Amino acid sequence: QVQLVQSGGEVKNPGASVKVSCKASGYTFSTYGITWVRQAPGQGLEWMGWISAYNGNTNYAQKVQGRVTMTTDTSTSTAYMELRSLRSDDTAVYYCARAVSRVVPAADLDYWGQGTLVTVSS
Amino acid sequence: DVVMTQSPLSLPVTLGQPASISCRSSQSLVYSDGITYLNWFQQRPGQSPRRLIYKVSNRDSGVPDRFSGSGSGTEFTLKISRVEAEDVGVYYCMQGRHWPQTFGQGTKVEIK
Repeated sequence: QVQLVQSGGEVKNPGASVKVSCKASGYTFSTYGITWVRQAPGQGLEWMGWISAYNGNTNYAQKVQGRVTMTTDTSTSTAYMELRSLRSDDTAVYYCARAVSRVVPAADLDYWGQGTLVTVSS
Repeated sequence: DVVMTQSPLSLPVTLGQPASISCRSSQSLVYSDGITYLNWFQQRPGQSPRRLIYKVSNRDSGVPDRFSGSGSGTEFTLKISRVEAEDVGVYYCMQGRHWPQTFGQGTKVEIK
């Protein structure tokens, strides 16, 4: 069965960086992509960006463009999301979800990870 | 970016009664292939989001048939025919037609 297992929670100081992992199993990783979605405490879902595990292409939300880097390691079926220059408003639960492999209209996000809480506080 | 607007944002419902959530997009979600890329997600308290409905009206595996989706173009609806206690949570519409993909604000369903 398809599973996405994320790394554990992190506490970071403002200005630091965080790297969250998402290990996939139960499907052919390289034929899909991964979308990252975050949820601030008590708030809704925010699309952060996408990466193709097929060719490494990325598409980032304007709000985090320049601070975020998404990568994949097809040898371990793992996706990573690194966010730099952390601010207090980056405090959120970060989710990975299975996505399409190309920038096309999509009915994706059919499987989600369990979420990773990143807390930014001094 | 495409703006997704849900209403109501809060929906108190009596057990066994129907519930309906509306979602409106700022642009058409129909692609040239004729498919409309609108999904619905459920997020129960303390859990990850779960996709319920894709392409307007297709239920995901394991989703009870009391959930149904409808709509076209820019106007969409999620209906629960008879609300059960396990349906408590927040429901989000999401468009996959345009990049970046965008979510509605969420509708919180609670039991009266």
